[in-house]
Amino acid sequence: QKEVEQNSGPLSVPEGAIASLNCTYSDRVSQSFFWYRQYSGKSPELIMSIYSNGDKEDGRFTAQLNKASQYVSLLIRDSQPSDSATYLCAVGGFQKLVFGTGTRLLVSP
Amino acid sequence: DAGITQSPRYKITETGRQVTLMCHQTWSHSYMFWYRQDLGHGLRLIYYSAAADITDKGEVPDGYVVSRSKTENFPLTLESATRSQTSVYFCASSGAGVRNEQYFGPGTRLTVT
Repeated sequence: QKEVEQNSGPLSVPEGAIASLNCTYSDRVSQSFFWYRQYSGKSPELIMSIYSNGDKEDGRFTAQLNKASQYVSLLIRDSQPSDSATYLCAVGGFQKLVFGTGTRLLVSP
Repeated sequence: DAGITQSPRYKITETGRQVTLMCHQTWSHSYMFWYRQDLGHGLRLIYYSAAADITDKGEVPDGYVVSRSKTENFPLTLESATRSQTSVYFCASSGAGVRNEQYFGPGTRLTVT
């Protein structure tokens, strides 16, 4: 059974701080890694994808991948109250994705 | 408008009734997926389709039926709804290949009474 583990949170950070979200996965042959943001009552929205070891930056978001440790993380710099949401980690092999249960992030003004 | 749409957005049905949830995408994506999202379980794959007339089971297929006669449509049918199928259902689509970013529809909130 392929598994993706995330701390459910909530992770509370003050506005302007860096939020660090973590995810581990069990399937060593996974090839694609994604972070989705989901606001309450809404559908998941893709915010980052990463496919090779290292860091990938997009605006205030940085995804980090370490395949040897089977670990993916998402850093959100200068966190804003509008970043308050549940962040889902998803790990894929061929086409199908396995999702973690998500980490709830709360950014306080 | 381009994108992925689902209908209905909300549905209340009775135990034992058949209900069909619709999904339509305008990106010409080859792959389409149905997930259910429940508290404590996250997103679980019900069925997916690689192309028209090609479907396969996901993690939780029991009680569900899918078809895909056209690339853009992927309906999900609950043949005899049960209370355990009360959930939020999301449809998603992606292109082919290893860089398989999936994009989600707005979801259908289904309540079975």
